[in-house]
Amino acid sequence: EADIYQTPRYLVIGTGKKITLECSQTMGHDKMYWYQQDPGMELHLIHYSYGVNSTEKGDLSSESTVSRIRTEHFPLTLESARPSHTSQYLCASGQGMSSYNSPLHFGNGTRLTVT
Amino acid sequence: QQPVQSPQAVILREGEDAVINCSSSKALYSVHWYRQKHGEAPVFLMILLKGGEQKGHEKISASFNEKKQQSSLYLTASQLSYSGTYFCGTETTGNQFYFGTGTSLTVIP
Repeated sequence: EADIYQTPRYLVIGTGKKITLECSQTMGHDKMYWYQQDPGMELHLIHYSYGVNSTEKGDLSSESTVSRIRTEHFPLTLESARPSHTSQYLCASGQGMSSYNSPLHFGNGTRLTVT
Repeated sequence: QQPVQSPQAVILREGEDAVINCSSSKALYSVHWYRQKHGEAPVFLMILLKGGEQKGHEKISASFNEKKQQSSLYLTASQLSYSGTYFCGTETTGNQFYFGTGTSLTVIP
């Protein structure tokens, strides 16, 4: 059973606020990912990491930052929330340096609403 | 970079079969398949590795043709529990993991 946790589960926040979405995994996985997904739509890669102190940008990274100080923790920060950030944010992790033969495990997501 | 899936949506009656296709413009070394139910996170179904290997999961199987950069997911004798959105996924040489455009599958009684 995968053990990857996201908090908060739901968040409603005003425009301009700084927020951090938390993601932790207890499986010792090297690779971690953040995806943004609108209901029923595609998953868009925001950021990813393949180990401590390594982070890379995906396609939707311009308005957010991540850090990977510890293997188990991969928080996502929005410096200034906007209504366009309203979406679901999914965190995932995978074993090893490659997903070639290792599945991704997902957290339950954070549903963010920016008013 | 994102794989393209077809069809975008399909509606089946219980017991019918379906095929979902995933096509990439880049070389594929492996293909993952996931199913996501409404309001939930994606759940892993299977991984296909290079070599045309076909794998199975209950009555769901898949094939992978690395020369054509394509994979297909086969659902036979569909059940109501198969409803959801199916995504293929693949890792690029830069370690980015991209999901396909998704296929919504609805099974009705």
